Parts: sequence; structure tokens; C-alpha cells
Amino acid sequence: DAGVIQSPRHEVTEMGQEVTLRCKPISGHDYLFWYRQTMMRGLELLIYFNNNVPIDDSGMPEDRFSAKMPNASFSTLKIQPSEPRDSAVYFCASSPGKNIQYFGAGTRLSVL
Amino acid sequence: GDSVTQMEGPVTLSEEAFLTINCTYTATGYPSLFWYVQYPGEGLQLLLKATKADDKGSNKGFEATYRKETTSFHLEKGSVQVSDSAVYFCALSGSGNTGKLIFGQGTTLQVKP
Repeated sequence: DAGVIQSPRHEVTEMGQEVTLRCKPISGHDYLFWYRQTMMRGLELLIYFNNNVPIDDSGMPEDRFSAKMPNASFSTLKIQPSEPRDSAVYFCASSPGKNIQYFGAGTRLSVL
Repeated sequence: GDSVTQMEGPVTLSEEAFLTINCTYTATGYPSLFWYVQYPGEGLQLLLKATKADDKGSNKGFEATYRKETTSFHLEKGSVQVSDSAVYFCALSGSGNTGKLIFGQGTTLQVKP
């Protein structure tokens, strides 16, 4: 298996623009997680899904952030409008259960 | 709520030195415990795990023992290499078998030749 695939790897955008990050989980995994990593705040869980259903979105910072999982093989994290403070590395991870998570390589987002 | 506390970094060692990274946790119930490693420019990857008290997880020369009496899961390696330079995260499984993990803040290890 190719592992968790995230795209794009790097994204540079201007303040106010819409940003969409994409994730393809490992086939057969029931859980999908979105994290944000910054130097100041470390690794933060934003939202996670079980069988395509959002279970806990309490980590989503504000209404500008939204996440969807239309099917078992695809998820998106959208930021609209983006702000400079959203600059971070965003990780997607999937899990077959039993609490072991497999992380993608991340998307490095820079909002100018 | 459940939480994980790791020693502050960065930890700087010379090659072949002994490594300990401390991790303590607070949890209800009986969580599983994990160490993840993040190499520069990459995502986190599982290093080792332990699912019950007194279990020892091991991988690539790293070890950690699940100590329920001290609520600890310290990571050790007898002889570090430059290639071990990375950020190490301690984590515990969330309650209710949700698949969720609770991560510590991460400890940066830098190994110098």
C-alpha cells in the first residue's frame, strides 16, 4: 500500500483566499484524523472521522475551517478565508482501529 | 481529562550516548501507550507500543516499559546515532476505544557526531 497520501505537499497562498487540503487514507482504515502542527502549539487534533462520519470536531479553531469525508477514500480540509496565522503543517492520519495511526507526509501551508 | 507530559527539549547528545526521554501520563482506565517519531520533513510514524502494565515495547534499539505504579512510559536507547535525530512523541489511547490518540508536546533529540 502507498500509505496515506496528502496533496499538495506545499501550498502558498494570500490572505483571504480559499485553501483546500486533500487526503487519501489507507484502504480499509475506518478512522481518519486531521492535525495541525506549529512550533508554538505543537501537534493539535482538529477533527476525526469514523466510517466517514465526523465524530469530534472540537479542535477545529473556528468556522473558517471545515472538513468533509464524502467517501472512504477521500477527505478534504478547507480554510475559507485563510489568514496568516493558519500557516502550519497539516497532517492527515488514518487508522484501522486499535489506536495505531498512520500519518501522511503533511501539507506545509504558508498564508502571506 | 487524559493527558501526556514529556520532558522539555531539545535534548542534545553525542553519538553512542545513552538516551532517556521521560514521559508521564494521566488517564482513567487502562490506556495503551505509544512512542511516535517524526524525522525532519516527514509525518509521525509509530516507533513502539505497549498495551498493558509491565509490557515492554521495543524497536530499532529503543525500549519503553509501561509502568502503571508511576504512570510512566520513558523511552530509552543504549547508544544513539546521528540518524536518531528527530522529534519523539509520547501518546496514549483515548478512552472508549475511539481510535483517538492523545499526544505529548514532543521532545526534539539532536545527536552530534
